Amino acid sequence: GNSVTQMEGPVTLSEEAFLTINCTYTATGYPSLFWYVQYPGEGLQLLLKATKADDKGSNKGFEATYRKETTSFHLEKGSVQVSDSAVYFCALSDLGTSYDKVIFGPGTSLSVIP
Amino acid sequence: NAGVTQTPKFQVLKTGQSMTLQCAQDMNHNSMYWYRQDPGMGLRLIYYSASEGTTDKGEVPNGYNVSRLNKREFSLRLESAAPSQTSVYFCAITLTGVGTDTQYFGPGTRLTVL
Repeated sequence: GNSVTQMEGPVTLSEEAFLTINCTYTATGYPSLFWYVQYPGEGLQLLLKATKADDKGSNKGFEATYRKETTSFHLEKGSVQVSDSAVYFCALSDLGTSYDKVIFGPGTSLSVIP
Repeated sequence: NAGVTQTPKFQVLKTGQSMTLQCAQDMNHNSMYWYRQDPGMGLRLIYYSASEGTTDKGEVPNGYNVSRLNKREFSLRLESAAPSQTSVYFCAITLTGVGTDTQYFGPGTRLTVL
């Protein structure tokens, strides 16, 4: 079945460091891909998404490119801030269902220290 | 989390007690979902509702029931709580069933079953 794999956390970075969180997926067809972010004590919120191959999603300095050939959707940011400390979830839409099923990865916790 | 509210925010139950988690939305979206979030496991779908009056099971429905009496509200009921149901519960909504839509999440209910 469809699935999402993310790099293990937690990830700890110094402020202004470069961030990469790896995400790979297994899916049939051409699912949409998402990154959601969860700040402490809150629900998930959409960070960015891409709906077809080679699309780049971007928001708040974060970027991810839909790579069909490598089945990947890695999240990157050039210079992280303390306020980026959160848990990041990679997700895909499961097109084989009759409803908007979304499959989430296990999440990667990021801590940014000053 | 704008547009999706959940009550209560926190709850402690004893084994065997029952309770209902409430979710309400003011975004006029069709589909509503209940997830549970456990450490290292991402989000797992409990039940979903594609429209008013319809509900279907997700990945982990055992021990739960749901009710979608109108478009705004989707409740989750634990008839006889067990320690394995200790988790954070999130309600989410999407607009349509095309696989590209954003899911909007509520702030969560943190449930502990003793």
